[in-house]
Amino acid sequence: QVQLQESGPGLVKPSETLSLTCTVSGGSISSYYWSWIRQPPGKGLEWIGYIYYSGSTNYNPSLKSRVTISVDTSKNQFSLKLSSVTAADTAVYYCARDTTPGSGGYGSWYFDLWGRGTLVTVSS
Amino acid sequence: SYELTQPPSVSVSPGQTARITCSGDALPKQYAYWYQQKPGQAPVLVIYKDSERPSGIPERFSGSSSGTTVTLTISGVQAEDEADYYCQSADSSGTVVFGGGTKLTVL
Repeated sequence: QVQLQESGPGLVKPSETLSLTCTVSGGSISSYYWSWIRQPPGKGLEWIGYIYYSGSTNYNPSLKSRVTISVDTSKNQFSLKLSSVTAADTAVYYCARDTTPGSGGYGSWYFDLWGRGTLVTVSS
Repeated sequence: SYELTQPPSVSVSPGQTARITCSGDALPKQYAYWYQQKPGQAPVLVIYKDSERPSGIPERFSGSSSGTTVTLTISGVQAEDEADYYCQSADSSGTVVFGGGTKLTVL
């Protein structure tokens, strides 16, 4: 049974870079698109971006200038870096998997497997 | 990217039918998906490709589409259905968008 687990610092200072890793267990990271999604406390879901196991990426236009998503297939992990954070970046950050393996440059673009989420607070 | 619009809240009594709408200009061309999220938990997919139900999701959950609006219908609402519901879609490049979410209250 495939599981996702987010990890990383729970507290980040303003203007610094938020770094999180999602570890895929019970299955391979290959063939799928993998996304980061966040949810500020008491608010809705916001998609941050995805990475294909081969390394191709697509980011939310509103965050694109600050986001980098990378993949390490040898460790079955993918990571998120969000630079120049402010209090507005305080949120629960989820990693999630596309429902079906990618094909021909296309994913399913919806998610059937999510991590439990990790709260990141931006504060000095 | 485009936007998806949901009502902030919907209230129904147990046993009644709840309908949650999601509107967006791209919905005639792109599929919609629905997630249920209970407090402190990750979202769970309840409807995909406008009207398909994943295995394990009760039959009382259904989806439909008409023009720029998709609708999640929960028939015979139960207390356990009280949750936040989010619609989601994506363009052809995989840029994903979520609706703002609807809080379903079971009276």
